[in-house]
Amino acid sequence: NAGVMQNPRHLVRRRGQEARLRCSPMKGHSHVYWYRQLPEEGLKFMVYLQKENIIDESGMPKERFSAEFPKEGPSILRIQQVVRGDSAAYFCASSGGLPADTQYFGPGTRLTVL
Amino acid sequence: SQQGEEDPQALSIQEGENATMNCSYKTSINNLQWYRQNSGRGLVHLILIRSNEREKHSGRLRVTLDTSKKSSSLLITASRAADTASYFCATPNSGNTPLVFGKGTRLSVIA
Repeated sequence: NAGVMQNPRHLVRRRGQEARLRCSPMKGHSHVYWYRQLPEEGLKFMVYLQKENIIDESGMPKERFSAEFPKEGPSILRIQQVVRGDSAAYFCASSGGLPADTQYFGPGTRLTVL
Repeated sequence: SQQGEEDPQALSIQEGENATMNCSYKTSINNLQWYRQNSGRGLVHLILIRSNEREKHSGRLRVTLDTSKKSSSLLITASRAADTASYFCATPNSGNTPLVFGKGTRLSVIA
């Protein structure tokens, strides 16, 4: 059973460009979560999605950030007009049931903004 | 606001010793989870303890939960160099909401 997959693993963007991060949840999981982690910090919740629906986006900045989880295909976290402060590791997790249940994490995408 | 706070922030021990990490949280919970993160990697789920449980074991891991003190501890017995990692506790912020993670305890096990 394949785990949570994320790509790319490393992404370099210049200021002002767009970053697209992809996440394929574990097979059979319909709940996806995105987190951001700065160096030496814990994970900060960004957004929680189920298929075709955003359930909780309370941790996601209102501007430049968006997320989707279409009926077919991976979940995508999109950051427009990136700034240096967006440099971080972005982790995706999935669960098969309730959001308070065990979450299974992907390896992360490390975004570097030059 | 931060739901879980781990203590200590960093811990260095010799191989074979036991490592104890603590987590305090603010609001009532229905479960508390511990995760491990190796450097540069994603998080790996270690153990989930429900609010009606007081203690749980998994291999060399022992987790306790004291809901009256709103605290939990993770004990790793007979530590190994491979246990070197950051350890995070996580709880739902309230009810059945997504998990909130603490800043973690960085454990170094010296061979």
